[in-house]
Amino acid sequence: QQQVKQSPQSLIVQKGGISIINCAYENTAFDYFPWYQQFPGKGPALLIAIRPDVSEKKEGRFTISFNKSAKQFSLHIMDSQPGDSATYFCAARRRSGNTPLVFGKGTRLSVIA
Amino acid sequence: EAEVAQSPRYKITEKSQAVAFWCDPISGHATLYWYRQILGQGPELLVQFQDESVVDDSQLPKDRFSAERLKGVDSTLKIQPAELGDSAMYLCASSPDRESYEQYFGPGTRLTVT
Repeated sequence: QQQVKQSPQSLIVQKGGISIINCAYENTAFDYFPWYQQFPGKGPALLIAIRPDVSEKKEGRFTISFNKSAKQFSLHIMDSQPGDSATYFCAARRRSGNTPLVFGKGTRLSVIA
Repeated sequence: EAEVAQSPRYKITEKSQAVAFWCDPISGHATLYWYRQILGQGPELLVQFQDESVVDDSQLPKDRFSAERLKGVDSTLKIQPAELGDSAMYLCASSPDRESYEQYFGPGTRLTVT
């Protein structure tokens, strides 16, 4: 059973456009939702994260929107650049019980000029 | 900037051989994780350490995989014997402690079993 479902699997966006990646989760005990960016041959790098007590968090061109009632969260990349081309993973974790991160299957983003 | 170190970065081994990976977490980080990432998938936890103790190894195939963190600092993951299905990226991550949310990943070891 996949605990975090991510879509789309791949995404092509024009330079300057908005990239949107969505994730949905089932476990209501999750209380930490990070997004990781991974370039080929590299490990995932923490990009931005949100806790369920807020509905939105913005860091530069990256924004997480969080909908607790729908159990969904999304990553928005504004003014997408070719350098943003990478695979993006959403993840979730519940703090209690010292549990690991549960990852989505990833979205391969290509930003074309 | 402190980083998680892993070696080797790439490893090619034949089926039935033994292979070992090494991880050095960010200095002072008490919690260490080993994840396996199959091509095109998200990372999946293999084992989690708190200091030198195993906290979660429920997903570790113990008939062939072993992990240790003897002094609570660096860690070694071993596979013996390797199988074709073990070909994947093996990622190490660390957190300051078990209550910290953030996990920081190393560059990974790409294993190819032939």
